[in-house]
Parts: sequence; structure tokens; C-alpha cells
Amino acid sequence: DVKVTQSSRYLVKRTGEKVFLECVQDMDHENMFWYRQDPGLGLRLIYFSYDVKMKEKGDIPEGYSVSREKKERFSLILESASTNQTSMYLCASSSTHRGQNYGYTFGSGTRLTVV
Amino acid sequence: QQQVKQSPQSLIVQKGGISIINCAYENTAFDYFPWYQQFPGKGPALLIAIRPDVSEKKEGRFTISFNKSAKQFSLHIMDSQPGDSATYFCAASGVGQLTFGSGTQLTVLP
Repeated sequence: DVKVTQSSRYLVKRTGEKVFLECVQDMDHENMFWYRQDPGLGLRLIYFSYDVKMKEKGDIPEGYSVSREKKERFSLILESASTNQTSMYLCASSSTHRGQNYGYTFGSGTRLTVV
Repeated sequence: QQQVKQSPQSLIVQKGGISIINCAYENTAFDYFPWYQQFPGKGPALLIAIRPDVSEKKEGRFTISFNKSAKQFSLHIMDSQPGDSATYFCAASGVGQLTFGSGTQLTVLP
């Protein structure tokens, strides 16, 4: 069964801490994404990557950075966590074949609480 | 910003009824329209998807209706069951990046 695995289900961090959220996929997908999900706001794209060492800003990149050193791994970094970054974080991956997009596969999410 | 507008925000249906969720998009270059289902504590999972060369796609109790000229598409859940209670997201894309609707929380009463 194909998988997107997020390293932590729940995290509690203190304001100002540097936080790393890890995501690994085993489907050899070239595209990877980080979203945050908040009630009433749906899924908002933070960053995405179409290839190793490539990254693109999404709709809400402020306060975040990403790293993609290997094709299967995409890390989200909160440089200095703040309480307004308390949220559910979702990683996803997808493939694009002959110009056609195939659906995302999501991880189970990491619920981050910043205190 | 490319948008996908989804309605209603919440929906309550009796068991055995029909649930209908609607989405509208702006970008005529979109060529892939999936629906995702999300249960509490889980990530969204692909439910059903359609491409604009067909007007309807059915998988079991789930049907997507697609109106290219109106730039609208909808999810119909026939014979809705309590186990269908979840949040549903529509989405649309060209190459690579999906744009999501804001989600619909469906509750099916027993």
C-alpha cells in the first residue's frame, strides 16, 4: 500500500522554538506539498516542490521554510514557532505523467500546538 | 488567485437521503477535478475524480456531475449513510498543483 508518512501525529512546542516536520513518501512521486488546515479555512498551501532541491512558495509561506534533499523526503521548518502556527499540517505527494496531473496522496497529518 | 468555491459549508442529511455538494471554478485551463473525503484525525483521501471530457462519473454511491460551460461540478452521494459523515473537499488543477475548495462538513443522521 502506497504511503505518505508524517513523522509525528502530535507535537507541542514552545514559542520561539525551531520546529521540524518530516514527510516521507514511498511512491517515487516527483511532487510534494505542505498544507495547513484550520477550521473554516480549508487547506492552505505553504510550500511545494516539483523536484529534489527545488521549492516554490505557496499561498502562505511566511514563517516557514522547506528542505528537499532527497526525492522521497520533504521537510517543513518553522524557524521560530509562534502561537498562530498552531494548526494541523498535512503533507501530500503526487505525480505528473505526460502533462496530466494525478491525485494527491496525503499523510495523516501532524497536529502542532505552540504554547 | 485561482479559486474553487465550495458550498454548502455544512450539510445535514437523513440516512438514505441524497447529499449534494457544489463547486465552481474560474480557471478554464483546469483539467482535473477530484473530490477528497476526510475523517476526523485523518488526512484527506481521494474519493472520485473527473476530467472535463465527460459530464458524469459514477463510482458506487458517489457521482460527480460536471458542467464545463458553467464551470461547475458537484458531488452526489446517493443513499447516504452515517459512515459517510466526514468533511469533503473539491479541488481542481491543471498540471501539478491542486486548488482546494473550503470544505463541506457532512453529517448523516441515523
